[in-house]
Amino acid sequence: ETGVTQSPTHLIKTRGQQVTLRCSSQSGHNTVSWYQQALGQGPQFIFQYYREEENGRGNFPPRFSGLQFPNYSSELNVNALELDDSALYLCASSHSASGEETQYFGPGTRLLVL
Amino acid sequence: AQKITQTQPGMFVQEKEAVTLDCTYDTSDQSYGLFWYKQPSSGEMIFLIYQGSYDEQNATEGRYSLNFQKARKSANLVISASQLGDSAMYFCAMRETDYGGATNKLIFGTGTLLAVQP
Repeated sequence: ETGVTQSPTHLIKTRGQQVTLRCSSQSGHNTVSWYQQALGQGPQFIFQYYREEENGRGNFPPRFSGLQFPNYSSELNVNALELDDSALYLCASSHSASGEETQYFGPGTRLLVL
Repeated sequence: AQKITQTQPGMFVQEKEAVTLDCTYDTSDQSYGLFWYKQPSSGEMIFLIYQGSYDEQNATEGRYSLNFQKARKSANLVISASQLGDSAMYFCAMRETDYGGATNKLIFGTGTLLAVQP
């Protein structure tokens, strides 16, 4: 069983640029959630995708957007990068059904905005 | 709004001893789920254990057990026989369901940094 993978592992951008982060969900999972984890804090929910549609969104501005593809992989796009966007971005996959719906996380992408 | 509180920023434990990491939660929902994740310095969040609000027995997974006290709204993680590899950040999280039950997102606490000493 293949786990959640993310790419790239590290990224350095400058303020105002745009970035795309990628996530492949675990085999058998149909839901992807994205989280932002600033240094020294717990992860904060950005949004969730299910069946290629945004399924819920946290308190993040519209310049954070995403996609989910038919194979359930996903992208997170951030436009007009700001210094505060520097963080670890975590992707988690799960299988939406009744019950536990445990989210399994990937290794994350560390984004530094200069 | 739902909230997770972890009051221990850091903990030390001797190798082979047991340690308890505290977690309290606040919710008005009757049905909810509680999770513990481990985050080593590499960054990946590793799922450890889950407790459903209707589960009558405390969850256990190997050396991990969850001391669930519903009336006190606490869900403490107990790690038995600590190992050096247990040194990491530990996060307590609660599943919040909204958007008419369509979205299941996790609300995380601020974490506890555990250091296992030889």
